[in-house]
Amino acid sequence: AQSVAQPEDQVNVAEGNPLTVKCTYSVSGNPYLFWYVQYPNRGLQFLLKYITGDNLVKGSYGFEAEFNKSQTSFHLKKPSALVSDSALYFCAGLLSGGYNKLIFGAGTRLAVHP
Amino acid sequence: GAVVSQHPSWVICKSGTSVKIECRSLDFQATTMFWYRQFPKQSLMLMATSNEGSKATYEQGVEKDKFLINHASLTLSTLTVTSAHPEDSSFYICSARETDSFYNSPLHFGNGTRLTVT
Repeated sequence: AQSVAQPEDQVNVAEGNPLTVKCTYSVSGNPYLFWYVQYPNRGLQFLLKYITGDNLVKGSYGFEAEFNKSQTSFHLKKPSALVSDSALYFCAGLLSGGYNKLIFGAGTRLAVHP
Repeated sequence: GAVVSQHPSWVICKSGTSVKIECRSLDFQATTMFWYRQFPKQSLMLMATSNEGSKATYEQGVEKDKFLINHASLTLSTLTVTSAHPEDSSFYICSARETDSFYNSPLHFGNGTRLTVT
């Protein structure tokens, strides 16, 4: 079955340090992957996507993600974390086979401490 | 950028009543909108795909008679929770994309509706 996994429920990082939020995928065919961020009681905001091309994708708010086909991963990264980055992060993948819909990982809560 | 507006942001209703949630694409037309449900500390669960001018496509296990979806125009989809019960209490989020393909445009989400059924 096709799936997207986020192995960490929570990630804690000090402000100014680099952060990584992990995502692995299992989808048929070429993967189309996305990262979204959710703030409390809000909808999701699009951060970035990988469709094809460069394995390093740059997105909003200084975030980037690295697509690694051999490890079937799409980890979200930022060189220097801000307290305001604290939020819930979702990795998503497009289901192949004509389903035309996204499946989401369970989400990872990022806590950036001053 | 593309904006999806969802109303109301929160609603409290009594058991047995119906609640309507609206989802509008403000600056683009959306032939397809998606309705999700999110339980506390959990991921988003796709409930149904709303297609303009035709019937919605419901995911397995979602009661179509309970969660009525209407997509009457290219900028408006509504979700009506009929005969609501406490177990329907949840966070409902709609989303839409600017084109017919995920390859060209990502999903844009509304801010969600917190439904509490007493």
